[in-house]
Amino acid sequence: EAAVTQSPRNKVAVTGGKVTLSCNQTNNHNNMYWYRQDTGHGLRLIHYSYGAGSTEKGDIPDGYKASRPSQENFSLILELATPSQTSVYFCASGPGGVNYAEQFFGPGTRLTVL
Amino acid sequence: AQSVTQPDARVTVSEGASLQLRCKYSYFGTPYLFWYVQYPRQGLQLLLKYYPGDPVVQGVNGFEAEFSKSNSSFHLRKASVHWSDWAVYFCAVSPHSNYQLIWGSGTKLIIKP
Repeated sequence: EAAVTQSPRNKVAVTGGKVTLSCNQTNNHNNMYWYRQDTGHGLRLIHYSYGAGSTEKGDIPDGYKASRPSQENFSLILELATPSQTSVYFCASGPGGVNYAEQFFGPGTRLTVL
Repeated sequence: AQSVTQPDARVTVSEGASLQLRCKYSYFGTPYLFWYVQYPRQGLQLLLKYYPGDPVVQGVNGFEAEFSKSNSSFHLRKASVHWSDWAVYFCAVSPHSNYQLIWGSGTKLIIKP
């Protein structure tokens, strides 16, 4: 079954530490996205990718890096985690083409930075 | 600037009652529009989508939405809600120019028994 999976599902990190959030999709979609969701802000786009080797900045990229080593995998990297990055992070994939706007979401990763 | 407004942060309805969740968008031209649903502690799931055509679109679980260009709206409706509809509902617009979605802030639907 096609799906978007994320790991870990929950993560507690220390301030200044490095955090890597992973996303895998079996939808064979070209596009992938990383969002964070905070109360009162809805979904905010951090980084996205059009395909393997590509990453683009979204609306709130500061403090985050992204990596797309393959069609299936898209990682979000916090080099120096801060408490303000405590949030729920969602990965999504999208097919591109005529249905380019549709996105399919993973279950989310709850990150707490102490 | 393109934007999506969901004016109601929270809506409470009785089980079996009808429902309307409001969505207003700001976009030059005819957009692609979406409603997503987020059940507790889950990711978002596509409920329905509008690509230019019939203004009333049907989604899963008895939901439908109506596009109105004159009102810049894309309201979500359901004739009779069930307790399992308790969730947060997000409206989104696609600007066509890229592969991103512009999101509303969400409406939490609470069902009274």
